[in-house]
Amino acid sequence: SAVISQKPSRDICQRGTSLTIQCQVDSQVTMMFWYRQQPGQSLTLIATANQGSEATYESGFVIDKFPISRPNLTFSTLTVSNMSPEDSSIYLCSSGTGALETQYFGPGTRLLVL
Amino acid sequence: SQQGEEDPQALSIQEGENATMNCSYKTSINNLQWYRQNSGRGLVHLILIRSNEREKHSGRLRVTLDTSKKSSSLLITASRAADTASYFCATGRQAGTALIFGKGTTLSVSS
Repeated sequence: SAVISQKPSRDICQRGTSLTIQCQVDSQVTMMFWYRQQPGQSLTLIATANQGSEATYESGFVIDKFPISRPNLTFSTLTVSNMSPEDSSIYLCSSGTGALETQYFGPGTRLLVL
Repeated sequence: SQQGEEDPQALSIQEGENATMNCSYKTSINNLQWYRQNSGRGLVHLILIRSNEREKHSGRLRVTLDTSKKSSSLLITASRAADTASYFCATGRQAGTALIFGKGTTLSVSS
């Protein structure tokens, strides 16, 4: 199984600012995914991050708002830009490979925007 | 976007009872996975069932999959207070690709 860590675990931010969330996997993985979980809701996929290529965003999510980096096979960052209270959510990363079906998740980053 | 519905949305039972949660999905799948989430924390992977499997067991967990009905069920036997959590099903179109999550079932087990 993969062990995934995220930083920060939580943060309180002012509207209009940006926050970068880091995701580290303990093994090399082909794909990493970023999800958002709004309060009381299920998880929604934001984007898929492959190493060496631009992230692929889901409908309703754009690169200007959620820029993603994937510099190597074990690390990715998600930035939440120009935050508003509506961005208050838990952000989770997960990893998958072509051969590994089971997806493991990081502990999440709980973001509150005031 | 959510793949489908889970029911019930909330379930309250006593310790020792069995809990059954159902999940429906809309598209063809490679696999279906069940996760547990305690109080808004990270997701814990419980069990994966492939599209060519009908039933899997893991400890007190039993998962069934009916691809003709596009549905799955998770049975937790002999529930404990520590099983109190939200449970989500998630489907993968292909191995290693992003998952689409159901809306989840909130389970409360009282002692």
